[in-house]
Amino acid sequence: SQTIHQWPATLVQPVGSPLSLECTVEGTSNPNLYWYRQAAGRGLQLLFYSVGIGQISSEVPQNLSASRPQDRQFILSSKKLLLSDSGFYLCAWTSFDIGEKLFFGSGTQLSVL
Amino acid sequence: RKEVEQDPGPFNVPEGATVAFNCTYSNSASQSFFWYRQDCRKEPKLLMSVYSSGNEDGRFTAQLNRASQYISLLIRDSKLSDSATYLCVVNEGNTPLVFGKGTRLSVIA
Repeated sequence: SQTIHQWPATLVQPVGSPLSLECTVEGTSNPNLYWYRQAAGRGLQLLFYSVGIGQISSEVPQNLSASRPQDRQFILSSKKLLLSDSGFYLCAWTSFDIGEKLFFGSGTQLSVL
Repeated sequence: RKEVEQDPGPFNVPEGATVAFNCTYSNSASQSFFWYRQDCRKEPKLLMSVYSSGNEDGRFTAQLNRASQYISLLIRDSKLSDSATYLCVVNEGNTPLVFGKGTRLSVIA
């Protein structure tokens, strides 16, 4: 069966520090991968999605970047965090053979202080 | 970007009550529809897909009205454990899924 792993679960970082969040999917090939952010009490905001290795689409210009170095690995990065980067970050995957249903990782709660 | 609209609530209902949420979508070419449930500080989890003929899973019933471009979720015999935010999700085709902002449900003892 397919599983998605996302880490760390919580992260406290100072303003101006770098960020790297990693997400991996097991049990499937060539998934579509997504990074979402959810501010406290708000809806999901799509940040990036990828349909293949090295293919990244950005939905919202901002202080973050994403990379997909391997088929089942998706990384969210920042060179210098801002206070406004605080939030709940969720990685997700889907594939055509499961009818485009989206499955989420357990999320990373990021606090930038 | 096309929109998916939901009443944010909160819907405060007693245990055992029946509660219904609606969600409207603006893209008439939308192809498939889902309801997700999200608990506080947790990831959204797929509750059910929504089919044209309507579908039921235990106490939960989902329906799609393409003519009026809305989907609904009915929860019967509400339990305390049903308290969560319910997200309406629309697949418009060759784009990422579009999420509504969610409807918050609180079931009260």
